[in-house]
Amino acid sequence: EAQVTQNPRYLITVTGKKLTVTCSQNMNHEYMSWYRQDPGLGLRQIYYSMNVEVTDKGDVPEGYKVSRKEKRNFPLILESPSPNQTSLYFCASSFDLRGEAFFGQGTRLTVV
Amino acid sequence: EDKVVQSPLSLVVHEGDTVTLNCSYEVTNFRSLLWYKQEKKAPTFLFMLTSSGIEKKSGRLSSILDKKELFSILNITATQTGDSAVYLCAVYYNYGQNFVFGPGTRLSVLP
Repeated sequence: EAQVTQNPRYLITVTGKKLTVTCSQNMNHEYMSWYRQDPGLGLRQIYYSMNVEVTDKGDVPEGYKVSRKEKRNFPLILESPSPNQTSLYFCASSFDLRGEAFFGQGTRLTVV
Repeated sequence: EDKVVQSPLSLVVHEGDTVTLNCSYEVTNFRSLLWYKQEKKAPTFLFMLTSSGIEKKSGRLSSILDKKELFSILNITATQTGDSAVYLCAVYYNYGQNFVFGPGTRLSVLP
């Protein structure tokens, strides 16, 4: 089954404690992205990747890092989380940047 | 500033009604417009539109794009309670390296 898998689904952490949210896709897609979704602001792109070792900033990259060492994996790293990073995070992959994106089930992150 | 606007932001209808959701955009180098449905968590793909005037249809849902007037509509006929969701519009532009999501329209279908 074609899918994008994120882990964990829920995470509560404290300010400043580094964390990683993993994302894996099994569709051999070249393009992968991370988004955050906040009430009233909709989905905003954090980072995207067009291929292995090729990443670029989206609209809200501050406080986040990503890496793309393998085609299937695109982890999101918060080196020093802050409460304003409390949000619902989605990973997505697509065959074509301008086409249909497949989304993971989301990670609800709370930073206290 | 590039942007995508959706209207209405919220809509409550009864089963059997027909609804029209709107998405207008102002971007440079438009590439495509996509509609997604978001129920509990992950958005799921509905339609991708790249050409004006060509209707995309899937069951009771249909969508069309007007690149001259810079908008798209999503129609749902004979609504059902299962259509209750947030409907998101997203636009890819600048040769596919930039995109923006609209705020979404929250549709509630009452029995």
